[in-house]
Amino acid sequence: AQSVTQLGSHVSVSEGALVLLRCNYSSSVPPYLFWYVQYPNQGLQLLLKYTTGATLVKGINGFEAEFKKSETSFHLTKPSAHMSDAAEYFCAVSRGNTPLVFGKGTRLSVIA
Amino acid sequence: NAGVTQTPKFRVLKTGQSMTLLCAQDMNHEYMYWYRQDPGMGLRLIHYSVGEGTTAKGEVPDGYNVSRLKKQNFLLGLESAAPSQTSVYFCASSRSALNTGELFFGEGSRLTVL
Repeated sequence: AQSVTQLGSHVSVSEGALVLLRCNYSSSVPPYLFWYVQYPNQGLQLLLKYTTGATLVKGINGFEAEFKKSETSFHLTKPSAHMSDAAEYFCAVSRGNTPLVFGKGTRLSVIA
Repeated sequence: NAGVTQTPKFRVLKTGQSMTLLCAQDMNHEYMYWYRQDPGMGLRLIHYSVGEGTTAKGEVPDGYNVSRLKKQNFLLGLESAAPSQTSVYFCASSRSALNTGELFFGEGSRLTVL
């Protein structure tokens, strides 16, 4: 069965600093990988996804993630944090014909 | 553009009471899902549906029932609510396959069971 581990339930960065949110997955077959963002009192929305092809995936709001099969990782990065990036971020994995499995989430705080 | 609409948005129940959460989507999506979100637990799949008239169990189905009589609606029922079912419930839908499609989420329904 596939699973997702997000390292760090809470990450705090200064405005303008690099954002790095970590996600590792376990899957017996090549996975499909996703990052979702949840702003306060809202549902989740898709940031980016990797299914096949290029391993560096660009998403909305300047975020990107790189699929590294050898490290079973799909870390989310953004070069310069903005106050509006404060939210909770979820990594998700799927394989075959099964629904997405979400990680436990990482709350990102941005300090002015 | 309504997208995915959940009703009600807030509800307080007493232990043993029953209720139904309604999810409606206007995007003609085949796939629909019910998740629950609890602090430190992320989102966990309760039930899902791959089309009208179909339902399947997810990771945490016990204590819940679902129905998909119409393509646009997915109902989540609690027959006898328990305090452990206090949570925020999210409905989602997707157009393409279970594992590759983008999920569109509702704004959530906050349920408290006393």
